[in-house]
Amino acid sequence: AQSVTQLDSQVPVFEEAPVELRCNYSSSVSVYLFWYVQYPNQGLQLLLKYLSGSTLVKGINGFEAEFNKSQTSFHLRKPSVHISDTAEYFCAVLKQGRRALTFGSGTRLQVQP
Amino acid sequence: KAGVTQTPRYLIKTRGQQVTLSCSPISGHRSVSWYQQTPGQGLQFLFEYFSETQRNKGNFPGRFSGRQFSNSRSEMNVSTLELGDSALYLCASSLDGIIDSPLHFGNGTRLTVT
Repeated sequence: AQSVTQLDSQVPVFEEAPVELRCNYSSSVSVYLFWYVQYPNQGLQLLLKYLSGSTLVKGINGFEAEFNKSQTSFHLRKPSVHISDTAEYFCAVLKQGRRALTFGSGTRLQVQP
Repeated sequence: KAGVTQTPRYLIKTRGQQVTLSCSPISGHRSVSWYQQTPGQGLQFLFEYFSETQRNKGNFPGRFSGRQFSNSRSEMNVSTLELGDSALYLCASSLDGIIDSPLHFGNGTRLTVT
């Protein structure tokens, strides 16, 4: 079985500060990893994904994530957040050979002025 | 290019009724997936259709069903509604699968069961 754990349900941060949203997964086989963002009253938008190769992945809106196989983590980072980054962020995994994403419970990022 | 369109945006139904939700994928996309989002259970996969065939199914009861038409548009049906079916239902389309072509999500249909 595979699961995704997002360790923080809410992360308050001041504007222009750095942020890290944590994600850990468990799986007995190789996985692909994704981060999605959901703004209020909208669907999900893909921020970035890790399929293979370089463990540091850059995405849209200045976000990046690092895949750490030994720690089974895929933490999302941004060096300087904006008010407009306020949203819910979801980590997701896809087991090789499968076609359905398994999502974490989400982390609500609240950027304060 | 138009995005994924879900209709209606909001629905209110009573227990025991049935409901049909609609999803129009991005032009050219042949894969359509459905997810249920609730505060308690989060995002859960319902099913995926590709070229009018159900290709993958999540762990939901048989009251939840779907279909896909030849133009790739998809519908999801829930029969004998229960209070716990209240949720945001998200549809996502892709060219084929998730690896090479990312999922594009619609804004969802919010279903309230009273």
